[in-house]
Amino acid sequence: EVHLVESGGGLVQPGGSLRLSCAASGFIVSANYMSWVRQAPGKGLEWVSVMYRGGSTYYADSVKGRFTISRDNSKNTLYLQMNSLRAEDTAVYYCARDTGANWGQGTLVTVSS
Amino acid sequence: SYELTQPSSVSVSPGQTARITCSGELLAKNFARWFQQKAGQAPILVIFEDTERPSGIPERFSGSKSGTTFTLTISGAQVEDEADYYCHSEADNNLGVFGGGTRLTVL
Repeated sequence: EVHLVESGGGLVQPGGSLRLSCAASGFIVSANYMSWVRQAPGKGLEWVSVMYRGGSTYYADSVKGRFTISRDNSKNTLYLQMNSLRAEDTAVYYCARDTGANWGQGTLVTVSS
Repeated sequence: SYELTQPSSVSVSPGQTARITCSGELLAKNFARWFQQKAGQAPILVIFEDTERPSGIPERFSGSKSGTTFTLTISGAQVEDEADYYCHSEADNNLGVFGGGTRLTVL
């Protein structure tokens, strides 16, 4: 059975950094394309980033240059390194597999002083 | 930038057919999908590759596309279908795009 479990969220000050993790089970992360999607409180879904099987990565304009998606094949885990965080990055962050057939439960990131 | 436009809300009575549209130029060239999200829960994929339904999704959910408009149809909507629905596709530059979401009310 496929499971995705995000972790690493929390409260951080503006300008700070966080690294989110998405631990996968039931499938191989590197054999799929994996995405990060976020949802600000009371708002809609926003696509953040994707990593394809071959390692290509793409980012939304709103996070480009500040966020980095990566994976550790030995741990079957996807990551999102978030730097220079802003108040508008406050959201629940989800990881998703492929076309979105599987999602994690999300982890809340709050950027506030 | 690429955009997908959805109505903010749709309302139907139980047993009626609900139709939610999603429009955008990128839909003419790329597959699209629909996600259902209930309050406090992660999204669930209900339609992928325009018309395909994942296993476990009721047959009353169907997808269709004509040109730049993608439609989710729920035939005989049930109270438990009340949720937010989001369309999603990819732009030519490999960036993902979500529609703004549609709140479906069934009452």
